[in-house]
Amino acid sequence: SQTIHQWPATLVQPVGSPLSLECTVEGTSNPNLYWYRQAAGRGLQLLFYSVGIGQISSEVPQNLSASRPQDRQFILSSKKLLLSDSGFYLCAWSVRGGKEKLFFGSGTQLSVL
Amino acid sequence: KQEVTQIPAALSVPEGENLVLNCSFTDSAIYNLQWFRQDPGKGLTSLLLIQSSQREQTSGRLNASLDKSSGRSTLYIAASQPGDSATYLCAVRKETSGSRLTFGEGTQLTVNP
Repeated sequence: SQTIHQWPATLVQPVGSPLSLECTVEGTSNPNLYWYRQAAGRGLQLLFYSVGIGQISSEVPQNLSASRPQDRQFILSSKKLLLSDSGFYLCAWSVRGGKEKLFFGSGTQLSVL
Repeated sequence: KQEVTQIPAALSVPEGENLVLNCSFTDSAIYNLQWFRQDPGKGLTSLLLIQSSQREQTSGRLNASLDKSSGRSTLYIAASQPGDSATYLCAVRKETSGSRLTFGEGTQLTVNP
């Protein structure tokens, strides 16, 4: 069966520090991968999605970047965090070419102070 | 631009009650609609996915319906239990949006023992 791993679960970082969140998927090949952010009291916002290694689409201009160095690995990064980057970050995957049913990781609560 | 609205924002019911959560979307040209559950501080768990050609989907005590032409979906929960307490989100995938899902802001459900 397929599983998705996301870490860390919580992170507290000072303003201006770098960020690296990692997500890996097991039990499937060639998944579509996604990074979402959920800010307090707001809905989910799609940040990035990827249909293959090295293929990244950005949905909104921001202080973050994403990379997909391996088929089942998706990384969210920042060189310098801003206060506004605080939020709950969720990685997700779906089967490419299927019904696009989305499966989510457990999330990372990021607090930038 | 697709907009998804969920009403009510919060709902509190006694245990055993049947209840309905509502989701409406502005653009009826959707590929599918997915209902999720989110527990506090956790990721999203997929509950039901309805393709645009379907009218409803059932899983256990959950039944989701879709009226594409009117831009509405409902999630019916039968015989509610305290363990059903969570935030319920609906998300629609537009026919031509590729991998983009548009989420509602959710309904926070509390089932009181």
